[in-house]
Amino acid sequence: GENVEQHPSTLSVQEGDSAVIKCTYSDSASNYFPWYKQELGKRPQLIIDIRSNVGEKKDQRIAVTLNKTAKHFSLHITETQPEDSAVYFCAASSGSYIPTFGRGTSLIVHP
Amino acid sequence: GAGVSQSPSNKVTEKGKDVELRCDPISGHTALYWYRQSLGQGLEFLIYFQGNSAPDKSGLPSDRFSAERTGGSVSTLTIQRTQQEDSAVYLCASSFAGRDYGYTFGSGTRLTVV
Repeated sequence: GENVEQHPSTLSVQEGDSAVIKCTYSDSASNYFPWYKQELGKRPQLIIDIRSNVGEKKDQRIAVTLNKTAKHFSLHITETQPEDSAVYFCAASSGSYIPTFGRGTSLIVHP
Repeated sequence: GAGVSQSPSNKVTEKGKDVELRCDPISGHTALYWYRQSLGQGLEFLIYFQGNSAPDKSGLPSDRFSAERTGGSVSTLTIQRTQQEDSAVYLCASSFAGRDYGYTFGSGTRLTVV
């Protein structure tokens, strides 16, 4: 089955800095890569996703990049703000199997 | 409805009792998932329903856990003879299509077994 590794487990940045979270996957058949943000005590929410026919996708201050050859994808947050503080989960899936989630990255943005 | 609705939001039960957790997905969403999240941990897959197909039960941790989805809409997760290790937040999610589409999660049910 699919195996997703997510790094780092904790990331601490100063407000205004950029943050990068990386995930690797094992199954070359995976073609859908969502990212979820979970604020403390809240539900996970889909913030951005990318499919394997695209190398990069941006939505305001967040972007996701995908390298199919190396089987890794990354979440980039620019100009971080305190409200970006949360746990971020990556996932990988295809139409054939349940999405496999990474173990999460706790992002702390210091004012 | 506008979102995925779960009830109850909190449940405290005595060890050995049975509990039922309910999920009402977004109208029209054919896929429904149950996940479990222990304190500070990741998302543990439990079960997946897609339309009228047989559910994928591969994530259920023991035969004390079962789930059903009636009429392709509301789902109930049942835990029999609860144990303290069952304490967690149980999250339901729905998606308008298959496994390669994003989820909308409910707010979860926080289960505490005492």
